Amino acid sequence: QQQVKQSPQSLIVQKGGISIINCAYENTAFDYFPWYQQFPGKGPALLIAIRPDVSEKKEGRFTISFNKSAKQFSLHIMDSQPGDSATYFCAASRGGGSQGNLIFGKGTKLSVKP
Amino acid sequence: DAMVIQNPRYQVTQFGKPVTLSCSQTLNHNVMYWYQQKSSQAPKLLFHYYDKDFNNEADTPDNFQSRRPNTSFCFLDIRSPGLGDAAMYLCATSRAGLAGGISYEQYFGPGTRLTVT
Repeated sequence: QQQVKQSPQSLIVQKGGISIINCAYENTAFDYFPWYQQFPGKGPALLIAIRPDVSEKKEGRFTISFNKSAKQFSLHIMDSQPGDSATYFCAASRGGGSQGNLIFGKGTKLSVKP
Repeated sequence: DAMVIQNPRYQVTQFGKPVTLSCSQTLNHNVMYWYQQKSSQAPKLLFHYYDKDFNNEADTPDNFQSRRPNTSFCFLDIRSPGLGDAAMYLCATSRAGLAGGISYEQYFGPGTRLTVT
């Protein structure tokens, strides 16, 4: 019940296309769903995050869509660029204190071809 | 500008020789985390400090220890590194609230790449 399942494991997109990465969870107590972007040899960088009281959040070319009833959330990267090539991790956590520890998906390696 | 700082960025140690990695933060966050990340895997939580309270994950080997002398600094000690401990070690911080409250953003440092020879 603590798992976050992420798909696909890898994704190849043409420059200018839309990249879509999906995550699913079981624990309805999760209250925070961040996405991290990680370049090789670097630490994960917080990209965008959503809480379950909204269905969509957009920041520039990055959008999170959240479906509470289906217990799914996804990251959409519009107008994908070669510089977006990185590994993306979804995650979830369930409140403050030690319960706030992040549960990560296994990651998606995105390659954007020029 | 840097909010979570890790030193060194690269560390080479010999099999069985103790090593210490350091993390500092300028965010004044009350929670600090240590993760281990191996190639093509998600970060794996080793332990975290909630203020001064140490919380160890059940599957973290005894070989890994941590110290938090003050709010800003946290150290990861590997007492007898083995070849399997070669990995990226990530420090993260969060302004975590009280148990039962809401979750807050977690920010990662750049990591320390540990090589064991």
